[in-house]
Amino acid sequence: EDQVTQSPEALRLQEGESSSLNCSYTVSGLRGLFWYRQDPGKGPEFLFTLYSAGEEKEKERLKATLTKKESFLHITAPKPEDSATYLCAAQIRGSQGNLIFGKGTKLSVKP
Amino acid sequence: DAGITQSPRHKVTETGTPVTLRCHQTENHRYMYWYRQDPGHGLRLIHYSYGVKDTDKGEVSDGYSVSRSKTEDFLLTLESATSSQTSVYFCAISAQGGHSNQPQHFGDGTRLSIL
Repeated sequence: EDQVTQSPEALRLQEGESSSLNCSYTVSGLRGLFWYRQDPGKGPEFLFTLYSAGEEKEKERLKATLTKKESFLHITAPKPEDSATYLCAAQIRGSQGNLIFGKGTKLSVKP
Repeated sequence: DAGITQSPRHKVTETGTPVTLRCHQTENHRYMYWYRQDPGHGLRLIHYSYGVKDTDKGEVSDGYSVSRSKTEDFLLTLESATSSQTSVYFCAISAQGGHSNQPQHFGDGTRLSIL
C-alpha cells in the first residue's frame, strides 16, 4: 500500500533555531515528491517538487532534499511568519497526477 | 495565485439532504481534483477529472458523485449527506496531471458541517 508519513507531528522552535522536518514514503513508483505549506483556514500552497534522489530545491529559509526513501524540509533561522503546517505528498508514477499526502507537521516559531 | 474559487465557503446542513459544492477555475487547466481534509488524516482524494465529462474515483469516493460539463467547473455532490461527511473540502487544479512537472494548486476550501 502506498503511504506517506511525516514527523514530527508538531514542532516548536525559537526564532533563529534551525531544524528539519521529515517525510518518509513507501510507494510503488515515485513520479515526484511535493511540499506544501498550509496556513489556518487556507488551502495548501505549493513550495517545491523533487523528482530524483539527491535533488535539492531552495526558497528563502527553506531547503528540500530527497533520498530514495525520504525527503527533508530544512528550515534555516526560522521567523514567526514561517509558522504553518507543512505537508508532503507523493505522486505515483502512472497515475493521473493523484497525490498521496502525509498528515503534516505543524510548525510554531516563537519570537 | 491560481484562479480557483470554491463555493460556498461554509455550509451547515442536516443529515439526509443533498449538497453540491462548486469549484470554478479561470486557468483553463485540464485536471481538477476534490479532496477532503480531516483531523488525524492527510488530504484524501475523493474524485478527479481529466477533462470535460471525464472523471474517475479516488481513495474515498463512496457517497460522493462529481460532474464536469465545462472545463472551468467541477461539482462535488453528496446525494444524501451523513455526519461522517463533515469535513473541509478542497478543490485542486493541474495543467497536465501526472504527465509533467506541473504541481496541483489548491482553492481555500469549503467547510461543511452535517448535523
